[in-house]
Amino acid sequence: EAGVTQFPSHSVIEKGQTVTLRCDPISGHDNLYWYRRVMGKEIKFLLHFVKESKQDESGMPNNRFLAERTGGTYSTLKVQPAELEDSGVYFCASSQVWGANEQFFGPGTRLTVL
Amino acid sequence: DQQVKQNSPSLSVQEGRISILNCDYTNSMFDYFLWYKKYPAEGPTFLISISSIKDKNEDGRFTVFLNKSAKHLSLHIVPSQPGDSAVYFCAASVSYGKLTFGQGTILTVHP
Repeated sequence: EAGVTQFPSHSVIEKGQTVTLRCDPISGHDNLYWYRRVMGKEIKFLLHFVKESKQDESGMPNNRFLAERTGGTYSTLKVQPAELEDSGVYFCASSQVWGANEQFFGPGTRLTVL
Repeated sequence: DQQVKQNSPSLSVQEGRISILNCDYTNSMFDYFLWYKKYPAEGPTFLISISSIKDKNEDGRFTVFLNKSAKHLSLHIVPSQPGDSAVYFCAASVSYGKLTFGQGTILTVHP
């Protein structure tokens, strides 16, 4: 069974540009989460989808961030326009609806905003 | 407001000895706790978890202890192996929701 995949693995953009990150969860996982780790600090929650619906978006930093999960499969996270402080590693995780809350993480996308 | 704290940034242990990683939390609503291991350039990998109704959970070389009254949990690795060298994150959640992570502890196991 394939794990959580994320694309791209690295992205370097200029301040003011737009970047779109993609996450493909484990097949059959209804829960999809986005997290971010900035400058080696703790991993922080951004938002949670249950299928195509946003269950919790309390961690989204501001309205420059837009997450979508059309059809309840893969998800995208768009940053527009990107700022310097958006640099970090963006992780996606997925889990099944019922049972233990073991979230399975992807390898992350390292975003560098110059 | 850091609700989950790992106060030791790093820990160095001799191969074969016990590694003890500690974690404190402040939110009494947390009812599920997890430990993740992370290698460089990879995502966190789930290690072991514990529900708030238990005080101990064991899986092979890994044991997690939960002290609810002290709002403290710990991960014991026995015996430690060089391949265990990684960053260990403690995480907590409320009713299967989002995870709140600690800052991580870098474990180095020396041969």
